[in-house]
Amino acid sequence: QVQLQESGPGLVKPSQTLSLTCTVSGGSISSGNYYWSWIRQPAGKGLEWIGRWFISGSTNYNPSLKSRVTISIDTSKNQFSLKLSSVTAADTAVYYCARYSSSERGENWFDPWGQGTLVTVSS
Amino acid sequence: DIQMTQSPSSLSASVGDRVTITCRASQSISSYLNWYQQRPGKAPKVLISAASTLQSGVPSRFSGSGSGTDFTLTISSLQPEDFAIYYCQQSYSISPITFGPGTKVDIK
Repeated sequence: QVQLQESGPGLVKPSQTLSLTCTVSGGSISSGNYYWSWIRQPAGKGLEWIGRWFISGSTNYNPSLKSRVTISIDTSKNQFSLKLSSVTAADTAVYYCARYSSSERGENWFDPWGQGTLVTVSS
Repeated sequence: DIQMTQSPSSLSASVGDRVTITCRASQSISSYLNWYQQRPGKAPKVLISAASTLQSGVPSRFSGSGSGTDFTLTISSLQPEDFAIYYCQQSYSISPITFGPGTKVDIK
């Protein structure tokens, strides 16, 4: 079955760019009716959707983060990536990658998820 | 944005109890509502999609209902592994996709 695994630096300095990669195994990132997504969760808090990428090349971002976020895909490596610029301590969180499945009836849900990776923004 | 609220924010229950969690959307989202379970230190796991469709492998003690703005997740007989945080998520609008604040279920 499809599995996702996040990777990237666990510590980022304020004002710098956070960069994470999600490696997809057990299936091709280019096939199927899927959106590849990033979600984050500050410690002890709820879930915040960051954005998603579709095989057509279209992207959708959370308006609250849109000016700082870029999601891109490397089909040759079966990976997708997140870049979040100008980070502050408020961006400290566990970052998850997830597949957003889409049914024929237009229903969507996140499954599977990566295990998550903690990114701390601190000098 | 479509705002999602959940009640209660936390509850204490015993093994075998029937538990009900409510999720409310700030506008009608038809049946575009998913439920997730998150155990400590783990990623969320989808339980129910489209308000009432049980995902593969999820025990039948979990059920979902509702449409429009009001939704319910019910656990018919709480098991030890069910102590976790439960989140609802609307998939009606992508601008942005939003989650509820979560309901923590712990042991009485």
